[in-house]
Amino acid sequence: NAGVMQNPRHLVRRRGQEARLRCSPMKGHSHVYWYRQLPEEGLKFMVYLQKENIIDESGMPKERFSAEFPKEGPSILRIQQVVRGDSAAYFCASSPPGTVGRSYEQYFGPGTRLTVT
Amino acid sequence: GQQLNQSPQSMFIQEGEDVSMNCTSSSIFNTWLWYKQDPGEGPVLLIALYKAGELTSNGRLTAQFGITRKDSFLNISASIPSDVGIYFCAGQLNAGNNRKLIWGLGTSLAVNP
Repeated sequence: NAGVMQNPRHLVRRRGQEARLRCSPMKGHSHVYWYRQLPEEGLKFMVYLQKENIIDESGMPKERFSAEFPKEGPSILRIQQVVRGDSAAYFCASSPPGTVGRSYEQYFGPGTRLTVT
Repeated sequence: GQQLNQSPQSMFIQEGEDVSMNCTSSSIFNTWLWYKQDPGEGPVLLIALYKAGELTSNGRLTAQFGITRKDSFLNISASIPSDVGIYFCAGQLNAGNNRKLIWGLGTSLAVNP
């Protein structure tokens, strides 16, 4: 009964490179959420997705950031042409299907720490 | 974006003391969730609340969904060193298909053994 898996746990990229962060939701979960967290700060919502659909991307920067959750395989958060300001912890969460109660509970992975040099 | 007002921002207490923290909003929420985050880890769900007035316990933790549906509190009784961490509240604003949570900025708890 594995939890939410994220990889890599740590990622170092030089300015201008691309970063790909992966998230495998808990078994049976239908929705994936991506958050960004700077040191000593709270969680900032970025995007949430259902299989093959972006539901709400109101927290995503307009440029360089994209997310997908394909029919098969993990969800991917992609950051193109990274800059130093992209350095942060990126967390993925997943939730079960449904429209009431426990379907709103989000379960988090351990995060990916991105460092841009 | 919208945020919850979470207080206090930080607490420093002695082991064995009780702790109370709360979240308030100007909007009505349908669900309240309380999470704890340890350094270097992802948040862990502690308690979920679904009905106004609901009081739920998880070991030494107790949380309540305010009757106005605009607030929630979390109590920790007889604190121990492993309670150290950041506690976040989160609320779900609308019923139905909108699953986006609104988050508080966290309460940082330090426990002196």
